[in-house]
Amino acid sequence: SQELEQSPQSLIVQEGKNLTINCTSSKTLYGLYWYKQKYGEGLIFLMMLQKGGEEKSHEKITAKLDEKKQQSSLHITASQPSHAGIYLCGADIWGQFYFGTGTSLTVIP
Amino acid sequence: EAGVAQSPRYKIIEKRQSVAFWCNPISGHATLYWYQQILGQGPKLLIQFQNNGVVDDSQLPKDRFSAERLKGVDSTLKIQPAKLEDSAVYLCASSFDRSQETQYFGPGTRLLVL
Repeated sequence: SQELEQSPQSLIVQEGKNLTINCTSSKTLYGLYWYKQKYGEGLIFLMMLQKGGEEKSHEKITAKLDEKKQQSSLHITASQPSHAGIYLCGADIWGQFYFGTGTSLTVIP
Repeated sequence: EAGVAQSPRYKIIEKRQSVAFWCNPISGHATLYWYQQILGQGPKLLIQFQNNGVVDDSQLPKDRFSAERLKGVDSTLKIQPAKLEDSAVYLCASSFDRSQETQYFGPGTRLLVL
């Protein structure tokens, strides 16, 4: 079983649409990371959330951490083709670092 | 600044053969990570080094996988002998320290075991 489950597994959206990716943990989260991966490239660190209720934004990407629900969400506003890729959440759970199952995002121009 | 370098980028071998991957982290980064990413799954941490010492290798299949970082800079990951299920992308990452803040990833090595 996966410590971090992401949903949806894949997403196809029209350019300009908003979208949300969720990351759910089976254990209490004390911090969560979001990454983006493009084929042929290394992972890109997007942001880290450390406190329950914390919300961070970078350009058109916003992430929130809900520790009570053991969940984080990544929201992209007005998606662009450049947002396409695989989004991964990651977290340190009981001293071991885990990555989520990944969400593949395709943005259709 | 230069990013994390990995080589080779691609490798195809037959099962039971041996293979080695190389990683050169960002200069000055004390912590180095090796991940295995199987198609359709998120990356799995195989081993974490702090300088030339192993911090965590709990998920490393030690019967066939080995890794070293002798001088605390670049690192090699070896698989001997390889199995079909080892087909994956092997990612190397580095960070300034062990807080795991901002890991920088290399482009990965794609391994196919036939």
